[in-house]
Amino acid sequence: KAGVTQTPRYLIKTRGQQVTLSCSPISGHRSVSWYQQTPGQGLQFLFEYFSETQRNKGNFPGRFSGRQFSNSRSEMNVSTLELGDSALYLCASSLTLSSEAFFGQGTRLTVV
Amino acid sequence: GESVGLHLPTLSVQEGDNSIINCAYSNSASDYFIWYKQESGKGPQFIIDIRSNMDKRQGQRVTVLLNKTVKHLSLQIAATQPGDSAVYFCAENYAGGTSYGKLTFGQGTILTVHP
Repeated sequence: KAGVTQTPRYLIKTRGQQVTLSCSPISGHRSVSWYQQTPGQGLQFLFEYFSETQRNKGNFPGRFSGRQFSNSRSEMNVSTLELGDSALYLCASSLTLSSEAFFGQGTRLTVV
Repeated sequence: GESVGLHLPTLSVQEGDNSIINCAYSNSASDYFIWYKQESGKGPQFIIDIRSNMDKRQGQRVTVLLNKTVKHLSLQIAATQPGDSAVYFCAENYAGGTSYGKLTFGQGTILTVHP
């Protein structure tokens, strides 16, 4: 059974650009969450989706957005990139809203 | 101002020793707790979880203890092996029984196992 797949693995963008990251959950999992990991702030929750609906949102500016499709795949978008957005972006999926979350390998975003 | 990086606690043990990693959580209403292991270049890997109606749970070579009175969580690893070397994170969640996707992570502990 394939794990959580995130694409791309690495990305370099310029300040002011926008970026879209993709996450394919484990087959059958309907809940997808996104996290940002940086050396300064650690792991921070971005948002959670279940059945195409955003269920929870973390304390990030509106430049960060996401969505979930009918096949449970999810994307997150960051507009007007800033240097401080450089981070490892992690996606986690779970079978239901009350089961353990399994993480993908992450997308390493570097903003220059 | 300049951001300050997290200074992660470290734990060094000899192969074969037992390891205990501690975590203080912040929300007394949290009802679900998870331990994750993260190796360099990889995403966090689920180790074990515990719900607030329990105070101990055992897995393969790992035990999680929960003390709600002092908001403390610990992970015990028996017979630690070099492959256990990684950063370990505790995570907590309060969802009122409806959602466990919004996890609040601790800062992490670096475990180094010497052969």
